[in-house]
Amino acid sequence: DGGITQSPKYLFRKEGQNVTLSCEQNLNHDAMYWYRQDPGQGLRLIYYSQIVNDFQKGDIAEGYSVSREKKESFPLTVTSAQKNPTAFYLCASSINPANQPQHFGDGTRLSIL
Amino acid sequence: AQKVTQAQTEISVVEKEDVTLDCVYETRDTTYYLFWYKQPPSGELVFLIRRNSFDEQNEISGRYSWNFQKSTSSFNFTITASQVVDSAVYFCALIPASNDYKLSFGAGTTVTVRA
Repeated sequence: DGGITQSPKYLFRKEGQNVTLSCEQNLNHDAMYWYRQDPGQGLRLIYYSQIVNDFQKGDIAEGYSVSREKKESFPLTVTSAQKNPTAFYLCASSINPANQPQHFGDGTRLSIL
Repeated sequence: AQKVTQAQTEISVVEKEDVTLDCVYETRDTTYYLFWYKQPPSGELVFLIRRNSFDEQNEISGRYSWNFQKSTSSFNFTITASQVVDSAVYFCALIPASNDYKLSFGAGTTVTVRA
């Protein structure tokens, strides 16, 4: 079945550690996105990528980094510079133009040890 | 900049009651797209509807209906004869045509349907 796979489902980070969240899609979508969800705040855009080898900062990019080396993959690294990383992270993809509906993965819940 | 406001944080109803979720938006663009998504307890967001700013027709899909009113910048969502499976967080969202990669979400409304 086509869809978006995020892994792991749960992730724990130690102080000063970088962690990478995986996002893979087999929908043949050009655009991919990372969102952060905190209780009561909806989803906020971290980074997005319109096409392979290109990505743009969203509203809350500080402390995060991404890469887009393959169309199918858009991993997110939460760096030690992100002081409050505990949140639910959602990856999404869409066809272009991006005003089309986005398809979401099941999310990764990141917590601090 | 655009903004989406969902004033209702939580709504609790008994099964078979109707429930209406409010969504008010702000944008300077004359062309924009509005969405509703459902987030069940499992966590993934499920797309429900997309509406462009030039199409003010109301829409009905089974027990779901949407009322788009440009004059009041509102895009409200009604669930008729609610069921326990409708329990979820519902998000309203907007994309302006000037930057159609930046989807802005409201804070969400948690709907609980009691048997």
